[in-house]
Amino acid sequence: DQQVKQNSPSLSVQEGRISILNCDYTNSMFDYFLWYKKYPAEGPTFLISISSIKDKNEDGRFTVFLNKSAKHLSLHIVPSQPGDSAVYFCAASAGTASKLTFGTGTRLQVTL
Amino acid sequence: DTGVSQDPRHKITKRGQNVTFRCDPISEHNRLYWYRQTLGQGPEFLTYFQNEAQLEKSRLLSDRFSAERPKGSFSTLEIQRTEQGDSAMYLCASSSRDPGETQYFGPGTRLLVL
Repeated sequence: DQQVKQNSPSLSVQEGRISILNCDYTNSMFDYFLWYKKYPAEGPTFLISISSIKDKNEDGRFTVFLNKSAKHLSLHIVPSQPGDSAVYFCAASAGTASKLTFGTGTRLQVTL
Repeated sequence: DTGVSQDPRHKITKRGQNVTFRCDPISEHNRLYWYRQTLGQGPEFLTYFQNEAQLEKSRLLSDRFSAERPKGSFSTLEIQRTEQGDSAMYLCASSSRDPGETQYFGPGTRLLVL
């Protein structure tokens, strides 16, 4: 049972354009959501998070939007840069100090 | 800030051998997590420590797997009688005691069982 789903395995975007990565979840107990970026042979790097009490959180070029009624969140990267090319994982937890449940990832390629 | 470190970074072993991995969390973090990632999948939770207490274990953690955090600092993950299906990236993460804290990951240990 995949509680966190990233239905797009890959995405290609031109440099300077917006990248939008999507994530859906099924567990209504999830109340904290995170995005991680991962390069090959490295551990995931934290990007941005959002609590269920908010619907938007912004940090520089990265913005995460949460739609609780649709159980959907998205990560917007503007403007996209070649260095953003990586695999992006959506993760969720239920309660504080709780295990993370990850999606299967979306590979983003930013082209010149 | 040295971040989360893991040792070794790579391990090749023969089926049936025992292996042990080490994780050193960020120094002020009291929570430590182990995850496993296989090709094409996201990381999957294995177990979680708060200080030296192991508070949760996944059903993925068979009786061949054991994890310890004896002094509430570093942690070890041991796999006994390794099987080819144990081949994966083993990731360690740590977080502080604050509510809603973020888990920060180490570089991982890649295990290949021949």
